[in-house]
Amino acid sequence: EDKVVQSPLSLVVHEGDTVTLNCSYEVTNFRSLLWYKQEKKAPTFLFMLTSSGIEKKSGRLSSILDKKELSSILNITATQTGDSAIYLCAVEAVRDDKIIFGKGTRLHILP
Amino acid sequence: NAGVTQTPKFRILKIGQSMTLQCTQDMNHNYMYWYRQDPGMGLKLIYYSVGAGITDKGEVPNGYNVSRSTTEDFPLRLELAAPSQTSVYFCASSYQQGYEQYFGPGTRLTVT
Repeated sequence: EDKVVQSPLSLVVHEGDTVTLNCSYEVTNFRSLLWYKQEKKAPTFLFMLTSSGIEKKSGRLSSILDKKELSSILNITATQTGDSAIYLCAVEAVRDDKIIFGKGTRLHILP
Repeated sequence: NAGVTQTPKFRILKIGQSMTLQCTQDMNHNYMYWYRQDPGMGLKLIYYSVGAGITDKGEVPNGYNVSRSTTEDFPLRLELAAPSQTSVYFCASSYQQGYEQYFGPGTRLTVT
Protein backbone atom coordinates (compact mmCIF):
# COMPACT_ATOMS: atom_id res chain seq x y z
CA GLU A 1 0.00 0.00 0.00
CA ASP A 2 1.34 3.41 -0.97
CA LYS A 3 2.00 5.71 1.94
CA VAL A 4 3.70 8.93 2.98
CA VAL A 5 4.94 9.32 6.54
CA GLN A 6 6.04 12.60 8.05
CA SER A 7 7.97 13.13 11.25
CA PRO A 8 7.82 14.55 13.76
CA LEU A 9 4.07 15.06 13.98
CA SER A 10 4.62 18.21 15.99
CA LEU A 11 7.57 20.37 16.91
CA VAL A 12 8.03 23.38 19.17
CA VAL A 13 11.20 25.47 18.92
CA HIS A 14 12.35 28.97 19.73
CA GLU A 15 12.69 31.75 17.22
CA GLY A 16 16.09 31.62 15.54
CA ASP A 17 16.43 27.86 15.76
CA THR A 18 16.93 25.64 12.72
CA VAL A 19 14.43 22.84 12.12
CA THR A 20 14.45 19.78 9.89
CA LEU A 21 11.21 18.12 8.88
CA ASN A 22 11.18 14.62 7.46
CA CYS A 23 9.09 12.87 4.85
CA SER A 24 9.46 9.23 3.83
CA TYR A 25 7.42 7.46 1.22
CA GLU A 26 6.56 4.10 -0.23
CA VAL A 27 4.94 4.79 -3.56
CA THR A 28 4.91 2.71 -6.70
CA ASN A 29 6.14 4.57 -9.77
CA PHE A 30 7.23 7.74 -8.01
CA ARG A 31 6.95 10.93 -10.04
CA SER A 32 7.48 13.87 -7.68
CA LEU A 33 7.41 15.00 -4.07
CA LEU A 34 5.80 18.24 -3.00
CA TRP A 35 6.00 20.31 0.17
CA TYR A 36 3.20 22.62 1.30
CA LYS A 37 2.84 25.09 4.13
CA GLN A 38 -0.60 25.15 5.66
CA GLU A 39 -1.52 28.15 7.75
CA LYS A 40 -5.03 29.33 8.42
CA LYS A 41 -7.00 28.48 5.36
CA ALA A 42 -5.32 26.66 2.54
CA PRO A 43 -1.99 24.96 1.98
CA THR A 44 0.49 26.99 -0.03
CA PHE A 45 2.95 25.37 -2.32
CA LEU A 46 6.62 25.43 -1.32
CA PHE A 47 8.66 23.05 -3.45
CA MET A 48 8.36 20.26 -5.95
CA LEU A 49 11.20 17.77 -6.20
CA THR A 50 11.66 15.30 -9.01
CA SER A 51 14.39 13.03 -10.32
CA SER A 52 15.73 15.96 -12.32
CA GLY A 53 15.52 18.44 -9.47
CA ILE A 54 16.44 16.92 -6.14
CA GLU A 55 17.37 20.08 -4.27
CA LYS A 56 15.44 23.32 -4.01
CA LYS A 57 16.04 26.47 -2.01
CA SER A 58 14.03 29.60 -1.38
CA GLY A 59 15.26 32.06 1.20
CA ARG A 60 15.50 30.34 4.56
CA LEU A 61 13.78 27.20 3.30
CA SER A 62 15.46 24.37 1.48
CA SER A 63 14.55 20.81 0.59
CA ILE A 64 16.41 17.75 -0.60
CA LEU A 65 15.09 14.56 -2.17
CA ASP A 66 16.92 11.31 -1.49
CA LYS A 67 15.58 8.83 -4.01
CA LYS A 68 17.78 6.08 -2.69
CA GLU A 69 16.39 6.42 0.83
CA LEU A 70 12.89 7.27 -0.45
CA SER A 71 12.75 10.37 1.68
CA SER A 72 12.95 14.13 1.73
CA ILE A 73 13.81 16.76 4.29
CA LEU A 74 12.61 20.32 4.61
CA ASN A 75 15.01 22.66 6.40
CA ILE A 76 14.10 26.01 7.84
CA THR A 77 16.93 28.15 9.18
CA ALA A 78 16.66 31.16 11.50
CA THR A 79 13.02 30.37 12.20
CA GLN A 80 10.49 33.15 12.75
CA THR A 81 7.08 33.12 14.39
CA GLY A 82 5.58 33.41 10.92
CA ASP A 83 6.95 29.96 10.13
CA SER A 84 4.44 28.45 12.54
CA ALA A 85 2.22 26.23 10.42
CA ILE A 86 1.48 22.69 9.39
CA TYR A 87 3.91 21.45 6.76
CA LEU A 88 2.50 18.89 4.35
CA CYS A 89 4.43 16.46 2.22
CA ALA A 90 2.78 14.85 -0.79
CA VAL A 91 4.01 12.32 -3.31
CA GLU A 92 2.75 11.93 -6.84
CA ALA A 93 2.71 8.52 -8.52
CA VAL A 94 2.77 7.98 -12.24
CA ARG A 95 0.51 4.96 -12.12
CA ASP A 96 -3.11 5.87 -11.41
CA ASP A 97 -2.09 9.54 -11.46
CA LYS A 98 -2.59 9.76 -7.74
CA ILE A 99 -1.16 11.98 -5.08
CA ILE A 100 -0.74 10.85 -1.50
CA PHE A 101 -0.46 13.32 1.34
CA GLY A 102 1.28 12.77 4.66
CA LYS A 103 -0.41 13.81 7.86
CA GLY A 104 1.78 16.85 8.22
CA THR A 105 4.14 18.26 10.81
CA ARG A 106 2.73 20.94 13.09
CA LEU A 107 5.50 23.45 13.74
CA HIS A 108 5.18 26.08 16.44
CA ILE A 109 7.79 28.80 16.81
CA LEU A 110 8.00 30.45 20.21
CA PRO A 111 9.02 34.13 20.28
CA ASN B 1 -14.70 5.88 8.98
CA ALA B 2 -14.03 6.55 5.30
CA GLY B 3 -12.68 10.09 5.75
CA VAL B 4 -13.09 12.24 2.64
CA THR B 5 -14.42 10.54 -0.47
CA GLN B 6 -14.65 11.96 -3.96
CA THR B 7 -16.38 10.77 -7.10
CA PRO B 8 -15.72 10.28 -9.91
CA LYS B 9 -12.03 9.40 -9.98
CA PHE B 10 -11.63 10.33 -13.65
CA ARG B 11 -13.81 12.22 -16.12
CA ILE B 12 -13.52 13.49 -19.67
CA LEU B 13 -15.82 16.33 -20.68
CA LYS B 14 -16.44 18.08 -23.95
CA ILE B 15 -16.27 21.86 -24.06
CA GLY B 16 -19.53 23.36 -22.86
CA GLN B 17 -20.72 20.32 -20.93
CA SER B 18 -21.52 20.50 -17.26
CA MET B 19 -20.87 18.16 -14.36
CA THR B 20 -20.80 17.90 -10.58
CA LEU B 21 -17.85 16.63 -8.60
CA GLN B 22 -19.04 14.97 -5.42
CA CYS B 23 -17.32 15.23 -2.05
CA THR B 24 -18.43 13.65 1.22
CA GLN B 25 -16.79 13.51 4.62
CA ASP B 26 -17.87 11.47 7.62
CA MET B 27 -15.76 13.16 10.29
CA ASN B 28 -18.34 15.82 11.19
CA HIS B 29 -15.90 18.53 10.12
CA ASN B 30 -17.22 22.07 9.82
CA TYR B 31 -14.76 23.25 7.18
CA MET B 32 -14.61 21.89 3.67
CA TYR B 33 -12.53 22.99 0.69
CA TRP B 34 -12.17 22.48 -3.02
CA TYR B 35 -8.75 22.80 -4.64
CA ARG B 36 -7.42 22.33 -8.11
CA GLN B 37 -3.92 21.29 -8.92
CA ASP B 38 -2.45 21.86 -12.35
CA PRO B 39 0.64 19.91 -13.51
CA GLY B 40 3.78 21.10 -11.77
CA MET B 41 1.83 23.54 -9.64
CA GLY B 42 0.64 23.63 -6.07
CA LEU B 43 -2.91 23.58 -4.83
CA LYS B 44 -5.18 26.52 -5.60
CA LEU B 45 -8.29 27.09 -3.52
CA ILE B 46 -11.52 27.30 -5.53
CA TYR B 47 -14.20 27.55 -2.85
CA TYR B 48 -14.52 26.76 0.82
CA SER B 49 -17.25 26.39 3.40
CA VAL B 50 -17.18 26.97 7.14
CA GLY B 51 -20.42 25.13 7.80
CA ALA B 52 -23.72 24.03 6.30
CA GLY B 53 -25.33 26.85 4.36
CA ILE B 54 -22.16 28.97 4.21
CA THR B 55 -19.76 29.11 1.27
CA ASP B 56 -17.11 31.55 0.15
CA LYS B 57 -14.81 32.09 -2.82
CA GLY B 58 -11.20 31.12 -2.82
CA GLU B 59 -8.38 32.11 -5.13
CA VAL B 60 -9.84 30.78 -8.43
CA PRO B 61 -13.66 30.58 -8.21
CA ASN B 62 -14.57 31.62 -11.77
CA GLY B 63 -16.35 28.90 -13.71
CA TYR B 64 -17.38 26.97 -10.60
CA ASN B 65 -20.22 26.88 -8.12
CA VAL B 66 -20.67 25.10 -4.81
CA SER B 67 -23.37 24.39 -2.27
CA ARG B 68 -23.32 23.10 1.28
CA SER B 69 -26.76 21.87 2.27
CA THR B 70 -25.42 19.36 4.81
CA THR B 71 -22.31 19.07 6.96
CA GLU B 72 -21.23 15.95 5.08
CA ASP B 73 -21.53 17.00 1.44
CA PHE B 74 -19.81 19.73 -0.56
CA PRO B 75 -20.37 19.26 -4.31
CA LEU B 76 -18.50 21.33 -6.90
CA ARG B 77 -20.39 22.27 -10.06
CA LEU B 78 -18.88 23.11 -13.46
CA GLU B 79 -21.55 24.69 -15.66
CA LEU B 80 -19.77 25.27 -19.00
CA ALA B 81 -16.59 23.25 -19.09
CA ALA B 82 -13.55 24.88 -20.68
CA PRO B 83 -10.12 23.41 -21.52
CA SER B 84 -8.61 25.67 -18.84
CA GLN B 85 -10.49 23.60 -16.28
CA THR B 86 -8.49 20.50 -17.10
CA SER B 87 -6.91 19.71 -13.75
CA VAL B 88 -6.92 17.45 -10.73
CA TYR B 89 -9.50 18.46 -8.15
CA PHE B 90 -9.09 17.80 -4.45
CA CYS B 91 -11.70 18.10 -1.78
CA ALA B 92 -10.60 18.48 1.82
CA SER B 93 -12.11 18.97 5.24
CA SER B 94 -10.96 20.11 8.64
CA TYR B 95 -12.38 20.42 12.13
CA GLN B 96 -11.96 24.18 11.96
CA GLN B 97 -9.66 26.82 10.55
CA GLY B 98 -6.00 26.22 11.24
CA TYR B 99 -6.43 22.52 11.89
CA GLU B 100 -5.08 19.71 9.79
CA GLN B 101 -6.91 19.24 6.54
CA TYR B 102 -7.87 15.79 5.37
CA PHE B 103 -7.80 15.39 1.64
CA GLY B 104 -9.83 13.18 -0.65
CA PRO B 105 -8.15 11.04 -3.33
CA GLY B 106 -8.79 13.57 -6.10
CA THR B 107 -10.71 13.71 -9.38
CA ARG B 108 -8.80 14.00 -12.63
CA LEU B 109 -10.81 16.04 -15.11
CA THR B 110 -9.97 16.53 -18.77
CA VAL B 111 -11.90 18.98 -20.94
CA THR B 112 -11.44 18.59 -24.70
